[in-house]
Amino acid sequence: NAGVTQTPKFQVLKTGQSMTLQCAQDMNHEYMSWYRQDPGMGLRLIHYSVGAGITDQGEVPNGYNVSRSTTEDFPLRLLSAAPSQTSVYFCASSHWEAGANVLTFGAGSRLTVL
Amino acid sequence: GEDVEQSLFLSVREGDSSVINCTYTDSSSTYLYWYKQEPGAGLQLLTYIFSNMDMKQDQRLTVLLNKKDKHLSLRIADTQTGDSAIYFCAEGSGNTGKLIFGQGTTLQVKP
Repeated sequence: NAGVTQTPKFQVLKTGQSMTLQCAQDMNHEYMSWYRQDPGMGLRLIHYSVGAGITDQGEVPNGYNVSRSTTEDFPLRLLSAAPSQTSVYFCASSHWEAGANVLTFGAGSRLTVL
Repeated sequence: GEDVEQSLFLSVREGDSSVINCTYTDSSSTYLYWYKQEPGAGLQLLTYIFSNMDMKQDQRLTVLLNKKDKHLSLRIADTQTGDSAIYFCAEGSGNTGKLIFGQGTTLQVKP
């Protein structure tokens, strides 16, 4: 049981380049989300999805696109990378437990934009 | 908007109790969570508490919730060096499922 798998683990981009961070889960969870982690700022929600075909914006969605064509996959696209997007990105899938939204996180993807 | 605040750093001696504090602003939060992040890893759920509860205990962990003051704390009894990590509190809305995280508290445990 792999849980939540993120690829790549590390990536260096030049300003203006595009890329996709992949996220896959094998727990059949409906709810998935993307966070970015920056020093002193904790985790901030970028986008989330409550099920296949449905996505919504979080706190910091600008510069990022998502899609959810299957239950398993929730890729995060950077259309034109900027140095401000240098961060560690975490994907999470979650299930409901007596009303609580219990997140399972991937190991993270460290992105550097030069 | 919603906001969650934590102190950034806590240092304790091995065997002592650790208390990590958190304040939040959203009075409609239905659940509050504690996550642990070890170096180079993702976050792992430690425990959560329903907003109608005052306390929850799980082995060495005790969560206290003061809903009136919007204050949450995590007490770790008999703290061990393996407890050294970053601890995040988060508030969640029942409607959307979104979690808002604090900045994280780095717990340093000295032998």
